[in-house]
This record gives sequence, C-alpha cells and structure tokens, in this order.
Amino acid sequence: DTEVTQTPKHLVMGMTNKKSLKCEQHMGHRAMYWYKQKAKKPPELMFVYSYEKLSINESVPSRFSPECPNSSLLNLHLHALQPEDSALYLCASQQRVGGNEKLFFGSGTQLSVL
Amino acid sequence: EDKVVQSPLSLVVHEGDTVTLNCSYEVTNFRSLLWYKQEKKAPTFLFMLTSSGIEKKSGRLSSILDKKELFSILNITATQTGDSAIYLCATYTGGFKTIFGAGTRLFVKA
Repeated sequence: DTEVTQTPKHLVMGMTNKKSLKCEQHMGHRAMYWYKQKAKKPPELMFVYSYEKLSINESVPSRFSPECPNSSLLNLHLHALQPEDSALYLCASQQRVGGNEKLFFGSGTQLSVL
Repeated sequence: EDKVVQSPLSLVVHEGDTVTLNCSYEVTNFRSLLWYKQEKKAPTFLFMLTSSGIEKKSGRLSSILDKKELFSILNITATQTGDSAIYLCATYTGGFKTIFGAGTRLFVKA
C-alpha cells in the first residue's frame, strides 16, 4: 500500500464554520506533512509532524490547527478561515532514503472559503 | 534565501516531440534534487538525484544533475498526451525542508 488518502476531496465552508481535513497513510512513514497550494503556484509547507510530534510550523495562522492522533493519521482543523485561505491542501508522508527524503502525496482537499 | 527556478513555465508540444525541462537552484544545504509530476492534484515522485553526471532513467523519462553548475534537466522523449502535467522540481535541504520550484506546465497535443 503506497497511498496517502485524504478526505474530503472537496470542501466549501463559510468563514464562521469549523471543519477538519483528514489524512491517512499505512506505509509506516514516521513524518507527515501539510502543504498548501494555490493555483499555478508550488506547494508551500505548513506543518511537519515527526514521530507524532510537531516539528515544523511555518508561521501558519492559528485558524489552522494540526493534530497527529497516531503515526498513521494527520488532521488539519479549520476555524474562522478567510477567503484567501481557499487553496488545495495536500498531505504528504516521508520516506527516508539515506539522508534524503521522498514525499508521497495524497490527492488533496480542494477548499473554498466563502 | 533558498530558491528553485524552473523554465520554461509552460510548454506546448505535439505528440512524438522530445522536451527538455530545466531546473536551477540556489540553496544553502543541498542534499538532493527531486522531480515530481502533478496531474490533477497529487504530485507523484519521478526521480531523486544526488550525484552529478549520473543519469536516472524511467522509460521515456530521464534526468541528470550538475552540482557544479547547480542545475538539472528532465527529458521526455516521444511525448504522449498522458505526459501532459505540471512537472515540479524540488531540492531537499534537510530538516524536513523540500523547496519546490514553480513548475513547468506541459501540454502535449494529439
């Protein structure tokens, strides 16, 4: 199983809503990531969890709240988002290759904030 | 500031053409260069390059790295419509940091 599964695939929410994005992998990878990708732009790193602990927070606003319940699951809780937060949210897990990393991406959640 | 620059930003070719995609980088702690293909949504891994001058091949795709000149190329021969995608170049600099370029949008016409 070399898949990273993300749900939902699409999400429309209002600025006062609370929603969660979910990500799951069963490849035994111990690092998981959230990336944000705007149209025609490269993915931008948001958060990294390593061994279920938050390792990197790229100065992401607190309206995005990550959670790693166990080594296979990663959530992103959303609250009071702004229209400019509309984007594709990609989850990834890391395979270590020597001293390097190879990322496996999910299909993403296309988020629209109204 | 670390950066990865890809060219061209977009490219339209006909089936059967050969294309070369370029990637240059300026990073402070280079570990590896990676190519990903993004169709629709999920980027998928193509190549990881760590050593200069060693070509990696997978079917019609090949890539090579020049660590002295700080660039890499991705070649696709005998292009097919299924090659239409965004090709992302990235560098891994350690500490979970993979820096992506803006991508090259390739469209292959039948």
